[in-house]
Amino acid sequence: GNSVTQMEGPVTLSEEAFLTINCTYTATGYPSLFWYVQYPGEGLQLLLKATKADDKGSNKGFEATYRKETTSFHLEKGSVQVSDSAVYFCALPVGGGADGLTFGKGTHLIIQP
Amino acid sequence: GAVVSQHPSWVICKSGTSVKIECRSLDFQATTMFWYRQFPKQSLMLMATSNEGSKATYEQGVEKDKFLINHASLTLSTLTVTSAHPEDSSFYICSASLRALSSYEQYFGPGTRLTVT
Repeated sequence: GNSVTQMEGPVTLSEEAFLTINCTYTATGYPSLFWYVQYPGEGLQLLLKATKADDKGSNKGFEATYRKETTSFHLEKGSVQVSDSAVYFCALPVGGGADGLTFGKGTHLIIQP
Repeated sequence: GAVVSQHPSWVICKSGTSVKIECRSLDFQATTMFWYRQFPKQSLMLMATSNEGSKATYEQGVEKDKFLINHASLTLSTLTVTSAHPEDSSFYICSASLRALSSYEQYFGPGTRLTVT
């Protein structure tokens, strides 16, 4: 099945710093790719997605580009805020025709004022 | 919109007993619901996929007789952990999908913390 490797945290940054969270995947074909975010005490929320190669997903100032050449889907934000503190998960379908997702281990992001 | 709830949010039970966790889609009808398990500082692992009115499909290594899943309606799926043991202690998360919205887009519940003593 498909799999994903994600940089592990915690990642601690100062407010307004540039953020990159690396994500690489192994997959059959070209599945959709996702970033989910989990704020403290809440469920996972879809942050952004890309459905085909070279697509760029974006939301709330976050971006990620589907790179099939490097099998990567790195998450970036130009200027982080304290409110971005959360756990971020990279994900893609498990494969084999199933709809469930396989996730990276999650990256805990801490933004200090 | 697209809110998924879980009940209870946390539960403590004694070894050997069974525990039922509910997952509800509050404002949409979910054709498919998923159950995941998350260990501390680990990723979410897909346990099973359930479609309304049919038997759940379990991932390799997940005991279907231990983790009973029922998806009786388009808004409710339940996970029953039977004869629970301490090693079943974990964070259980459900999600719901409406494929018409977007391929594979899922909406997640807040999770249920199970502790077996």
